[in-house]
Amino acid sequence: SAVISQKPSRDICQRGTSLTIQCQVDSQVTMMFWYRQQPGQSLTLIATANQGSEATYESGFVIDKFPISRPNLTFSTLTVSNMSPEDSSIYLCSVDSGRNTGELFFGEGSRLTVL
Amino acid sequence: DAKTTQPPSMDCAEGRAANLPCNHSTISGNEYVYWYRQIHSQGPQYIIHGLKNNETNEMASLIITEDRKSSTLILPHATLRDTAVYYCIVTGNQFYFGTGTSLTVIP
Repeated sequence: SAVISQKPSRDICQRGTSLTIQCQVDSQVTMMFWYRQQPGQSLTLIATANQGSEATYESGFVIDKFPISRPNLTFSTLTVSNMSPEDSSIYLCSVDSGRNTGELFFGEGSRLTVL
Repeated sequence: DAKTTQPPSMDCAEGRAANLPCNHSTISGNEYVYWYRQIHSQGPQYIIHGLKNNETNEMASLIITEDRKSSTLILPHATLRDTAVYYCIVTGNQFYFGTGTSLTVIP
């Protein structure tokens, strides 16, 4: 199984600032995904991070607000830009297992609080 | 968008089987049924998946109806550590999480 490390694990930020979340995987993976989980809610897919090309965003999410980088097959970043209290959430990185099962592995998440 | 319907919450006595239902009446022929769970403050954990046959692994069993419009996840001997939110996901590619079932295992 893939080991996924996210940084920071939690942070408290001021309104209007930006924060970049890092996701490091211990093996090369093809597919990396970013999810958001708002307080008391389920997970919502933000985007698929593609290596060597722009991320593919889900409806309701835009690159200007959530820019994503994927410089190689083991690393990705998600930036939450111009934050507001509504961005307070857990942000989770996920990767495809690489097995032909479609199984995903998830990081432990980055808990973001915007004041 | 999520294509599944699950009860919001369930209780189960410790040591008994927990049967978690999921309706997915609009499932397509090439879509799989996946189950994940999320224990409080942790990332989701894969449990099991299937296409049309029943499946069993060390964690659980998955029963899929013949018409594939519903399925049941079975935890054969629930323990307190199985208390979590359980998500049923139907997908051919991306994973879209629904609201899940919050399972509480009672001592």
